[in-house]
Formats: sequence, C-alpha cells, structure tokens
Amino acid sequence: KAGVTQTPRYLIKTRGQQVTLSCSPISGHRSVSWYQQTPGQGLQFLFEYFSETQRNKGNFPGRFSGRQFSNSRSEMNVSTLELGDSALYLCASSEISGGVGNEQFFGPGTRLTVL
Amino acid sequence: LAKTTQPISMDSYEGQEVNITCSHNNIATNDYITWYQQFPSQGPRFIIQGYKTKVTNEVASLFIPADRKSSTLSLPRVSLSDTAVYYCLVGDMVGPGTYKYIFGTGTRLKVLA
Repeated sequence: KAGVTQTPRYLIKTRGQQVTLSCSPISGHRSVSWYQQTPGQGLQFLFEYFSETQRNKGNFPGRFSGRQFSNSRSEMNVSTLELGDSALYLCASSEISGGVGNEQFFGPGTRLTVL
Repeated sequence: LAKTTQPISMDSYEGQEVNITCSHNNIATNDYITWYQQFPSQGPRFIIQGYKTKVTNEVASLFIPADRKSSTLSLPRVSLSDTAVYYCLVGDMVGPGTYKYIFGTGTRLKVLA
C-alpha cells in the first residue's frame, strides 16, 4: 500500500496570505489528523476528520480550518498567515477515529515558511 | 488537559538498552499510549502501542504501570541508526467520544559508537 502523501512538500508565503495543504491518506483509512510541528511548541494537534466530519479539534484559532472529501483526502487551510505559522504541517491517517487503539501513519509533512 | 513530559535528551552507546519514560497525568480512560520515532525531515513513525502492563514487539517493549500515569519505552541493544527523537502520544478525552491527541515533548536520543 502507498503511504500517506502530502502536497506540496515546501511552501513559501507572505504574511496575510492564505494557504491550502493537501493530504492523501492510506487507502482504506477514513481518519485524517493534522498536526503542527515547531521547534518551540513541538507537535501540536490541530484537528481530526473522520468520514468527512470533524471529530476532534485542538486549541488553534479559527484561521486554521480543514475539510475531508468523500475519498478521505483532506485539505487544511490557514487564512491570514502570520509569521508564527511557519512550521512543519503533518498529516496522519488511521483506520479508526478517537483514542482507542488508534495507530496513526504520518506523511512526510509540508514545510510552510511565512515571510 | 493532559500534559505529557519526557526527558529532553539522552545519550547511549551502541549495544546498550535504552529506557525513555513519559509522564501523562490525565490520560483518557480508554486511550492507548503510543510511541513514535522521528528522523529529521520525516514524519513520525509508529514504534509500539499499549494500554497497560507490558507490550513487546520486534523492535521495542512498552511498560505501563497500573495507574497508567506514565509509560516507559525500552529499546534493546540500540544501534547508531536509532539516533532520533522519540515521542509518546496519548489521547485526552475532552468530551463524549471527543479526544485531543497530546504528544510528549520528545526525547532526543543520540547513540554513540
């Protein structure tokens, strides 16, 4: 099976712009979670989608949003970019949702730089 | 909210056993504890997962005490290729069927020849 893929791998934007990141999960996986990784804050959970519905959400402002399509592919959008949004954005897919026995498979990430 | 803490870094020599502990004071009742390994410029990779007591697979063991407020990842006979950052991950149930996933602070393991 192919692994989790994320596009693009690298992105440079300027403050105030918006950005959309894409994630294709492992075939058959219905859950997609998004994480932000920075040197200062580490890995932080953004949100999880399962069967096109947002199931769980972390503590990020409303500028961070996402969606999931019927084929389980997911997109994450960040509006009005700030310098502090520069980070590695990771997507993870899993067969089930929630915390019980949930093994997540991560993609390589999208490196976003905000200038 | 759950808070997970790990030692920032550890050094070890090849062939030694390494134990990395994660403290998670508010893990959700039904949640498992998962450990991941991350190399530079890559996403985290699953190592092992458990609920309580001991779990062992081909690469590691996971020890979880009865109160589940901590867990210890044990890597037997490490090699240079085990140099990486290791994270624990727990779920924090914030509502019925609603979880936030909390990663530990990460432990940077350096294996020396």
